Amino acid sequence: QKEVEQNSGPLSVPEGAIASLNCTYSDRGSQSFFWYRQYSGKSPELIMFIYSNGDKEDGRFTAQLNKASQYVSLLIRDSQPSDSATYLCAVPLGSGGYNKLIFGAGTRLAVHP
Amino acid sequence: SAVISQKPSRDICQRGTSLTIQCQVDSQVTMMFWYRQQPGQSLTLIATANQGSEATYESGFVIDKFPISRPNLTFSTLTVSNMSPEDSSIYLCSVRQGAKDTQYFGPGTRLTVL
Repeated sequence: QKEVEQNSGPLSVPEGAIASLNCTYSDRGSQSFFWYRQYSGKSPELIMFIYSNGDKEDGRFTAQLNKASQYVSLLIRDSQPSDSATYLCAVPLGSGGYNKLIFGAGTRLAVHP
Repeated sequence: SAVISQKPSRDICQRGTSLTIQCQVDSQVTMMFWYRQQPGQSLTLIATANQGSEATYESGFVIDKFPISRPNLTFSTLTVSNMSPEDSSIYLCSVRQGAKDTQYFGPGTRLTVL
């Protein structure tokens, strides 16, 4: 089992719809979870992080965490064509006294007008 | 968040040569990381660079191929040695800053090896 798993997509949604991106992780001890957005040809940009079970909202973005199910998701409300990008889920994995981030394969989102 | 710059932004190199990539941060950070992103792939951690100690390499990456320097808390270099076309990738540095393992990325260096 991979440490961080995401569907590669592409996930295609119409403009104005809710896009739902999912991520599962294998380490039950993980305490923090990150979502990065990566536009084609650009570097990853941190858009959300969540530490506690439940929902965390920031503008049109909502991160949802369920530690019992080892599942974290990102909802994008009122999707815009400018949201078209690859979304990377990242989970820290402890090793030797520090945590390195393990990235999922990324889900490519396409928002069409 | 920290402002991170990388040089060069892109390069085209010949097989067998080496390239050194620089990463500069506008504030002092303890931990810096180097990643590789091959075409169409996700990010793979190459090594962690801590100031004052040897870099810690991930499985599949060795110091002879990817030597790293970390002379101070705002700067690091990654060298890609004896390059082959398989080394064609985007190389990214990142820094850990803020709470709970948060990392921010530089703009990346796009390397093409002919």
